[in-house]
Amino acid sequence: QVQLVQSGAEVKKPGASVKVSCKASGYTFTGYYMHWVRQAPGQGLEWMGWINPNSGGTNSAQKFQGRVTMTRDTSISTASMELSSLRSDDTAVYYCAREGDGNTIDYWGQGTLVTVSS
Amino acid sequence: QPVLTQSSSASASLGSSVKLTCTLSSGHSNYIIAWHQQQPGKAPRYLMKLEGSGNYNKGSGIPDRFSGSSSGADRFLSISNLQSEDEADYYCETWDNNSRVFGGGTKLTVL
Repeated sequence: QVQLVQSGAEVKKPGASVKVSCKASGYTFTGYYMHWVRQAPGQGLEWMGWINPNSGGTNSAQKFQGRVTMTRDTSISTASMELSSLRSDDTAVYYCAREGDGNTIDYWGQGTLVTVSS
Repeated sequence: QPVLTQSSSASASLGSSVKLTCTLSSGHSNYIIAWHQQQPGKAPRYLMKLEGSGNYNKGSGIPDRFSGSSSGADRFLSISNLQSEDEADYYCETWDNNSRVFGGGTKLTVL
């Protein structure tokens, strides 16, 4: 069965960077785009960007361009998202999510809480 | 870029039915969407893909109580025989020009 297992919670200071990883299993990792979505406390879902695990190509929301880097390691079926220049309003749960055959997101990781605090 | 509009909250009684709405912005009424459920403290879960025709395809393990329908720019998620575990936030999702959009979510309370 498809599983997306994310790395553990992080606490960072303002100005630092954080890297969240997402290990995929149960399917061909290179066959499906991986998206990153975040959710601030008590708020809705916010799309950040995607990576094509086959080519390594990426696309991110304009809001995050210049601050987000998405990478993958096909040898271990893992996608990663690094967010730099962290601010307090980057405090959120970050999810990886697979884009399925129907172009919708069809599987979600369990989420990684990133707390930005001085 | 499409915009998805959802009511912020809805409520219905245990055992009854409810219909949630996601409305596509002008010029995007034919877009396909997806519905996701997020129970308290959990990650979202994919429910279904829903086309403008009203055709829908549910994710693995989604109960028959969940169904979808469409009318113009409106996309509906219907839940029958409401259970306590259906109390959750429900989000719609669509995509355009290599980006994704989510609605603001509807918080469903089961009374």
